[in-house]
Amino acid sequence: DAGVIQSPRHEVTEMGQEVTLRCKPISGHDYLFWYRQTMMRGLELLIYFNNNVPIDDSGMPEDRFSAKMPNASFSTLKIQPSEPRDSAVYFCASSRATESYNEQFFGPGTRLTVL
Amino acid sequence: QKEVEQDPGPLSVPEGAIVSLNCTYSNSAFQYFMWYRQYSRKGPELLMYTYSSGNKEDGRFTAQVDKSSKYISLFIRDSQPSDSATYLCAMTDSWGKLQFGAGTQVVVTP
Repeated sequence: DAGVIQSPRHEVTEMGQEVTLRCKPISGHDYLFWYRQTMMRGLELLIYFNNNVPIDDSGMPEDRFSAKMPNASFSTLKIQPSEPRDSAVYFCASSRATESYNEQFFGPGTRLTVL
Repeated sequence: QKEVEQDPGPLSVPEGAIVSLNCTYSNSAFQYFMWYRQYSRKGPELLMYTYSSGNKEDGRFTAQVDKSSKYISLFIRDSQPSDSATYLCAMTDSWGKLQFGAGTQVVVTP
């Protein structure tokens, strides 16, 4: 089975431009998470969805960031306008509700560089 | 202060040595504890999971949780160069949101 798919894998853009990151979760998973990873701050949860509904967006740094999940197989994270401090690796992860713990499966990440 | 503290390393060990990693946390409500492994330029992947206190062993890997001290550990026996990666602890008090440590970079030299 295919894992979590993210695109693009690398993105280089200039300050002020709009950036859209895409994620396809594992089929059958009902939770989707967006993370940002930097050397300074480590892995930070930005937002997560359950059954396409945003549950917790308290990690979204500011209004420039927005995320959507229009259906169970697709999600986007948009940054508008982008700034150099947004440079990071952005991971999408998905999981399936079980009676026990929540194993999150991560995608390969999108490496974003804002010049 | 962060809820989960983890020394970022790097931790360099010779092949065959025991690798010892740990995290401390402040939220006493945490009851699910995990270790993720992340290779360079890859996403994290779950390595070990422990519920509440105690030990869990899986091959060369042993995870320990001491809730009274708010301290968790991961031991890697007979370390191999292929174990070179960043190891992140993660924990939660309920289903859903995980709190990650900063990650410890481990380098196993042949």
